[in-house]
Amino acid sequence: AQSVTQPDIHITVSEGASLELRCNYSYGATPYLFWYVQSPGQGLQLLLKYFSGDTLVQGIKGFEAEFKRSQSSFNLRKPSVHWSDAAEYFCAWMRSNDYKLSFGAGTTVTVRA
Amino acid sequence: DTGVSQNPRHKITKRGQNVTFRCDPISEHNRLYWYRQTLGQGPEFLTYFQNEAQLEKSRLLSDRFSAERPKGSFSTLEIQRTEQGDSAMYLCASRALAGTQETQYFGPGTRLLVL
Repeated sequence: AQSVTQPDIHITVSEGASLELRCNYSYGATPYLFWYVQSPGQGLQLLLKYFSGDTLVQGIKGFEAEFKRSQSSFNLRKPSVHWSDAAEYFCAWMRSNDYKLSFGAGTTVTVRA
Repeated sequence: DTGVSQNPRHKITKRGQNVTFRCDPISEHNRLYWYRQTLGQGPEFLTYFQNEAQLEKSRLLSDRFSAERPKGSFSTLEIQRTEQGDSAMYLCASRALAGTQETQYFGPGTRLLVL
């Protein structure tokens, strides 16, 4: 069955350090992939999305993600994290017929001073 | 504010009571989705509408759950005879139907606690 997996439940990173969150997908064709961020008690905000074309996708808040078909991955990166990046991050894939999103379990990011 | 809105933001109820949540999508968005998110998990799909038509319901949506979208505008999600296992965040999202690359926008959610 098609799915996305986020192997890391929790990541702690120092402010100013780089961040990489892993997402692996299981899908036969090219999937439509997304990264969303959720701050405590809030809804989900779209960071970036990949449908086709350039495999390096730029998003909001300085985030980027790279689609690697050979590794079935769509990892999220940020060169230098800010304390405000502390949140939960979800990778998701979308079915092309009904646009329904299926999410990974999420990765919680803690930023230490 | 022209985003997706949900009311109430929080609801505490006793087991066995009925609750109803409302979602107001972005104006003119044809598709409206409901998801449920439990602690430590990603959101899970419950159901979706295209205009007023409910096109799919997840197996997560037991007979105690019902959703409507009269006139293709706002939507309501009702849970009858609530159980403690219904405690979760209920998220609503909407998107335009224009094409694959349209963004699905989420509301802030309604957090339900069943005592």
